[in-house]
Amino acid sequence: QVQLVESGGGVVQPGRSLRLSCAASGFTFSSYGMHWVRQAPGKGLEWVAVISYDGSNKYYADSVKGRFTISRDNSKNTLYLQMNSLRAEDTAVYYCAKDLGYRGRDAFDIWGQGTMVTVSS
Amino acid sequence: EIVMTQSPATLSVSPGERATLSCRASQSVSSNLAWYQQKPGQAPRLLIYGASTRATGIPARFSGSGSGTEFTLTISSLQSEDFAVYYCQQYNNWPTFGGGTKVEIK
Repeated sequence: QVQLVESGGGVVQPGRSLRLSCAASGFTFSSYGMHWVRQAPGKGLEWVAVISYDGSNKYYADSVKGRFTISRDNSKNTLYLQMNSLRAEDTAVYYCAKDLGYRGRDAFDIWGQGTMVTVSS
Repeated sequence: EIVMTQSPATLSVSPGERATLSCRASQSVSSNLAWYQQKPGQAPRLLIYGASTRATGIPARFSGSGSGTEFTLTISSLQSEDFAVYYCQQYNNWPTFGGGTKVEIK
């Protein structure tokens, strides 16, 4: 079945780095844009980043621009989020989500279960 | 950034009753509007996209309407499994979400 499975979350100190992964299955991963969305504890949803189907276009929320990098490996059906210079306000559940389209400019029809990132000293 | 405002923040409804949720955009998003349902401890689930198109497998009791800056999600007859938080999202520009409406049992 169509599935996204995130991994790589954990507890990290402020200023350190972490890389999240999202393994896709059940659909043609290389044909769709992909997103990262986060949700701080008890809060709403915040879009983080998007990458087009072929990785040629990437865009970021202002809150993470210059610190986070989204990438994908279509040969491995995997999406990544490299998070550097982490701050306490980056603490959240991070979800990967599949876009309905190839550019990453549509709604998100499939979501992973999320991985928790806690930034704390 | 397009700001999405949802109202009310909390909606108390009895099972079997109709629920009407509102979402307003700070500028026109055309019909590039989606609705998601999120239950505690779960990921969001896409309900509606294109303002009014039901996603795959979504029951007909869920309907969306509106365009431009004003949108509505209607649940015609609330079932027990519908009590959850609902988010609207615009994707006309870089995606932004509303703050959510919690639908609780009255």
